[in-house]
Amino acid sequence: GENVEQHPSTLSVQEGDSAVIKCTYSDSASNYFPWYKQELGKGPQLIIDIRSNVGEKKDQRIAVTLNKTAKHFSLHITETQPEDSAVYFCAASGISGTYKYIFGTGTRLKVLA
Amino acid sequence: KAGVTQTPRYLIKTRGQQVTLSCSPISGHRSVSWYQQTPGQGLQFLFEYFSETQRNKGNFPGRFSGRQFSNSRSEMNVSTLELGDSALYLCASASGAGGNQPQHFGDGTRLSIL
Repeated sequence: GENVEQHPSTLSVQEGDSAVIKCTYSDSASNYFPWYKQELGKGPQLIIDIRSNVGEKKDQRIAVTLNKTAKHFSLHITETQPEDSAVYFCAASGISGTYKYIFGTGTRLKVLA
Repeated sequence: KAGVTQTPRYLIKTRGQQVTLSCSPISGHRSVSWYQQTPGQGLQFLFEYFSETQRNKGNFPGRFSGRQFSNSRSEMNVSTLELGDSALYLCASASGAGGNQPQHFGDGTRLSIL
């Protein structure tokens, strides 16, 4: 069935270092891949997304890469700051034409000052 | 533009009761989806509504139901509550009908079952 695997489950980095979170999806029909950041007591906040016709997208310190052949996509955060500490979720669009997202299990990122 | 609004933010119920949660999407968004978030199962899709029609449903029992009104506001109902229904229930809205636009989430309703 539809599945998204996300690694690692926890990640600690020193402030200023880079962080990379990886996801693998199973449904080859998935064509939209958003990333969300969730802080304590809040709902997930969209931080970046990528569509299947694009290999890479960057927004300031955040970038996402997509390898359709391998069904992999990754989130890259450079020059990490303490406020980047949160839980990050990847997702893949499910059934075409609807908003059923399949979410990864989340990565708790801790940026150490 | 106001974001997705969910009410109430917190709710405490006992087993066997029923509950109704409310979601007001971003103005102009016609798609509303509901997700259940628990520490053990993560974010799981419940159902999606678009223009008052349920387009997709996740693998949850029939005790979980929803509806969408003509103004795109949505409600979710859970009947005969069980302890395992304790979770954060999240609502997300999106524009467009295609399924490949960003979904924007509210801050959720935390439901606790005693």
